[in-house]
Amino acid sequence: NAGVTQTPKFRILKIGQSMTLQCAQDMNHNYMYWYRQDPGMGLKLIYYSVGAGITDKGEVPNGYNVSRSTTEDFPLRLELAAPSQTSVYFCASMTGGPNTEAFFGQGTRLTVV
Amino acid sequence: QQQVKQSPQSLIVQKGGISIINCAYENTAFDYFPWYQQFPGKGPALLIAIRPDVSEKKEGRFTISFNKSAKQFSLHIMDSQPGDSATYFCAGTGGAQKLVFGQGTRLTINP
Repeated sequence: NAGVTQTPKFRILKIGQSMTLQCAQDMNHNYMYWYRQDPGMGLKLIYYSVGAGITDKGEVPNGYNVSRSTTEDFPLRLELAAPSQTSVYFCASMTGGPNTEAFFGQGTRLTVV
Repeated sequence: QQQVKQSPQSLIVQKGGISIINCAYENTAFDYFPWYQQFPGKGPALLIAIRPDVSEKKEGRFTISFNKSAKQFSLHIMDSQPGDSATYFCAGTGGAQKLVFGQGTRLTINP
């Protein structure tokens, strides 16, 4: 059972380049999330989705875009990468409802130089 | 805005001692408060969670204490072990299922 799969695991981008971080889950979860984790800092919510076709901004959405065309996939797009976007990015999915649990991917470590 | 505030940022406890991490929330729509544990190089994983209709929940050596009127909750780790060394996050979520985390606490248990 794969759970939440993120690709790539590592990436180095040059300033101004664009890329898409992939996230896929095989648990048929409605809710999906993108977080960034800076060194020594907490998890900041970038975007989240409550189902296919529905997305909403989190705490730090600037510089990012998302789409949710299927239940399984929730890609995060970085346009015009900046050094401030250097971080570890985590995708998570959750069933929702009472006593819910979020399942996280292994993370993508992104460096913008 | 930081809807969940967590302290301390780091904590060192001797083996066998009690580790205590505190959190405060602002959003009164939150109705579910989980704690996540993260080891280096891994994603966070659910440790224990509580709903505001109870004041305490215990699972093994881990206990959550909840004070609804003060909008505060805390994690207590009894008989702390070196294997408990990790980063701990409190979180809150509500009907919209927007899962918001605190800043994290790096816990080190000295042998």
